[in-house]
Amino acid sequence: NAGVTQTPKFRILKIGQSMTLQCTQDMNHNYMYWYRQDPGMGLKLIYYSVGAGITDKGEVPNGYNVSRSTTEDFPLRLELAAPSQTSVYFCASIPGQGGRTQYFGPGTRLLVL
Amino acid sequence: AQTVTQSQPEMSVQEAETVTLSCTYDTSESDYYLFWYKQPPSRQMILVIRQEAYKQQNATENRFSVNFQKAAKSFSLKISDSQLGDAAMYFCAYKNNNDMRFGAGTRLTVKP
Repeated sequence: NAGVTQTPKFRILKIGQSMTLQCTQDMNHNYMYWYRQDPGMGLKLIYYSVGAGITDKGEVPNGYNVSRSTTEDFPLRLELAAPSQTSVYFCASIPGQGGRTQYFGPGTRLLVL
Repeated sequence: AQTVTQSQPEMSVQEAETVTLSCTYDTSESDYYLFWYKQPPSRQMILVIRQEAYKQQNATENRFSVNFQKAAKSFSLKISDSQLGDAAMYFCAYKNNNDMRFGAGTRLTVKP
């Protein structure tokens, strides 16, 4: 199993550009999450999904959109990139609810200039 | 809103010694989970230990143990026999359903 994979690893965007961060997991997990980690800070939850077709907002959803058409994929969309979205983005998944271990992807570093 | 506070931005420990990292949280929930994650320079998030709030017994994983004080909303991590490989950022995290909150982290340095 590859676990949770994220692409790209690093990207530079200009202000106002759009992009999609890809996240795929091959563990058949129902729950998937997107986080952002600003420099020197902990992770903050952007969006999460409890299964295909079901998504919901986390703590910091503004400026982002998500979709979940399959169990495996959970892309994160930035429509109009702003410098405040410069961050490292992590995707994670767990098989179900509760305190199970979250499996994290390696992260995507995004720089908006 | 639930918050997680790590009051020690940086800590240092001598190799083979013991260090304790502090974490407090704020919640009105009674059922939740607490975690400590390690993040080395590779940025990979690695679960160190977790605690269910309904369990009174403190969790232990080899050299890592926690002191969970539910009434005080405190969840500290003790690392015994510190090793050079323990050097990393450590994050305390709280989870209730799909609400997941992280502290700002403590950078741990291990001196040889």
